[in-house]
Amino acid sequence: QKEVEQNSGPLSVPEGAIASLNCTYSDRVSQSFFWYRQYSGKSPELIMSIYSNGDKEDGRFTAQLNKASQYVSLLIRDSQPSDSATYLCAGRESRDDKIIFGKGTRLHILP
Amino acid sequence: ETGVTQSPTHLIKTRGQQVTLRCSSQSGHNTVSWYQQALGQGPQFIFQYYREEENGRGNFPPRFSGLQFPNYSSELNVNALELDDSALYLCASTLGLAGGRTYEQYFGPGTRLTVT
Repeated sequence: QKEVEQNSGPLSVPEGAIASLNCTYSDRVSQSFFWYRQYSGKSPELIMSIYSNGDKEDGRFTAQLNKASQYVSLLIRDSQPSDSATYLCAGRESRDDKIIFGKGTRLHILP
Repeated sequence: ETGVTQSPTHLIKTRGQQVTLRCSSQSGHNTVSWYQQALGQGPQFIFQYYREEENGRGNFPPRFSGLQFPNYSSELNVNALELDDSALYLCASTLGLAGGRTYEQYFGPGTRLTVT
């Protein structure tokens, strides 16, 4: 199993709906998880960080962490066309503290 | 804007040449990480510097090397460039804690390197 895995998509969601992005991780990845948004040709932008089990909300974004099942998810409510981007899930490797990224999920919000 | 800057923005080099990429970290951040991102892939960790010392390295050959300076800015050097080195090179800065433990990373705009 790769350390951080994401479905590459594309995931198409109608405008105004909820977009749900998922990520699973291996035993090598520890307690800290991050979601980044990356527009084409740009660098990743940090959206959310989550360190403990449960939900964390910030505006239209909710990150969810389930350590027992080893998955992290990002929900985007009231999706807007400007949310169309690649979303990168990342986690901290337990052994040497480096941050490992998944390949990203491409999200398309349909007007 | 994250406050992390990188130079140059774009670079074209020939196979076999050497390149130096530069990064200035966000004010107050003492840890810098470098990533390579190929098209359609997630960023791949190259190495990390905490207070001028390398404290983590990914699966990259020794021709990838780096430095961190007392002001926490950093350089990535790549020798003997290969075609596969063509990628977006990203620098990220973090406030590192004792022992090198880091938290949220903030990326610079990246350097697009093309090797021909």
